[in-house]
Amino acid sequence: DAKTTQPPSMDCAEGRAANLPCNHSTISGNEYVYWYRQIHSQGPQYIIHGLKNNETNEMASLIITEDRKSSTLILPHATLRDTAVYYCIVRVPRGGATNKLIFGTGTLLAVQP
Amino acid sequence: KAGVTQTPRYLIKTRGQQVTLSCSPISGHRSVSWYQQTPGQGLQFLFEYFSETQRNKGNFPGRFSGRQFSNSRSEMNVSTLELGDSALYLCASSFTLAGGLSTDTQYFGPGTRLTVL
Repeated sequence: DAKTTQPPSMDCAEGRAANLPCNHSTISGNEYVYWYRQIHSQGPQYIIHGLKNNETNEMASLIITEDRKSSTLILPHATLRDTAVYYCIVRVPRGGATNKLIFGTGTLLAVQP
Repeated sequence: KAGVTQTPRYLIKTRGQQVTLSCSPISGHRSVSWYQQTPGQGLQFLFEYFSETQRNKGNFPGRFSGRQFSNSRSEMNVSTLELGDSALYLCASSFTLAGGLSTDTQYFGPGTRLTVL
């Protein structure tokens, strides 16, 4: 079973920041938080990952609470092309024995014009 | 560098038939994983291959099988198809560290849409 819970859907106005929450209260000390997204009927796309510090890349920012029980993915300026299902996943990071990902139900982000 | 490719992209079969799906990973990637996506069950892990060996398997019946070739290309086979096998089948590849250890990023292909009638 997935170790994360996410709201089933969210709306966001184009050009505004989209903040997608994720709860992972049973995360282990060596597990990272990963985010993927899946645009309709395409393969999932990696976005970002982190352990406990905030992370930022060209796609998004990841804010992880100090107790690591929850996190927020931030898309700073959402566009219509960001409409997708966003998955929050916890897994052992690089150096683990498997690449297996356990997907939850994700959040459908609908960016409105 | 070309991405993960999957063939065919669409497939229609009838119950009882078998099907073989193919996945070509990104050049240099030696780990390949397969996932099934259905509206009811979401994205579920099928199995993972590294260096021609299956090293992880999801909770699927024995009708689902796979293999990996020496060039890292992978195939999955579903025998005796059932209506419930209709799904999007996704393949993901990743570069592996020494000893086959995992990396951060998996790259997914576009998937094969299988319809069982």
